[in-house]
Amino acid sequence: QTVVTQEPSLSVSPGGTVVFTCGLTSGSVSTRHYPSWYQQTPGQSPRTLIYRTDVRSSGVPERFSGSILGNKAALTITGAQADDESAYFCMLYLGTGSVVFGGGTKLTVL
Amino acid sequence: QLQLQESGPGLVKPSETLSLTCNVSGDSVSSDHYYWGWIRQPPGKGLEWIGSVYYTGSTYYNPSLKSRATMSVDTSKSQISLSLKSLTAADTAVYYCANRDCPGASCYPHFQHWGRGTLVTVSS
Repeated sequence: QTVVTQEPSLSVSPGGTVVFTCGLTSGSVSTRHYPSWYQQTPGQSPRTLIYRTDVRSSGVPERFSGSILGNKAALTITGAQADDESAYFCMLYLGTGSVVFGGGTKLTVL
Repeated sequence: QLQLQESGPGLVKPSETLSLTCNVSGDSVSSDHYYWGWIRQPPGKGLEWIGSVYYTGSTYYNPSLKSRATMSVDTSKSQISLSLKSLTAADTAVYYCANRDCPGASCYPHFQHWGRGTLVTVSS
């Protein structure tokens, strides 16, 4: 069974840079997995941030960017703000219509 | 702007079948520009993809659900539906519907717009 890995938690200082990663237990992540990223605050539905590796969804601030770093997909926040404190989920396309989410990363801004 | 609104029973008993609907507004549920999906999230846990359905009835399901899930599109009601049978406490979750964009001959796999979700509790 394919598992998508994410850091359980990360922290960043206001104005700092933080990188979330999204990997596979079996192999490397590439653009062929169409990585996407979602932000979720408690009690809210997920908000789409990034899709197709590095495309920002409409209305998403430029401080959010997506990429492939090594063998993982990555989400970078440059100039973190207090309201970025949320959970972040990645999702990968495995083919044949199937997708899988990572376990999520809880970001603390302190 | 596409809007999605889930609705369901709230509380269901173990071994019963869950039926959820998602009302779609802002565009046609039978548009070839969208795939529709269901995703769930147990309390305090991560997201789990349940399945996706196209207006033609074409479906993809998460193999881990072992054929318990059935999805369909009702164009007359502008609704997407999810049926999940043989419920256990592990199916307690917030259930979200969402869309995938299909700008051309193929569809992007990511979910673009999400509903607010509906909490389903499985308990006797």
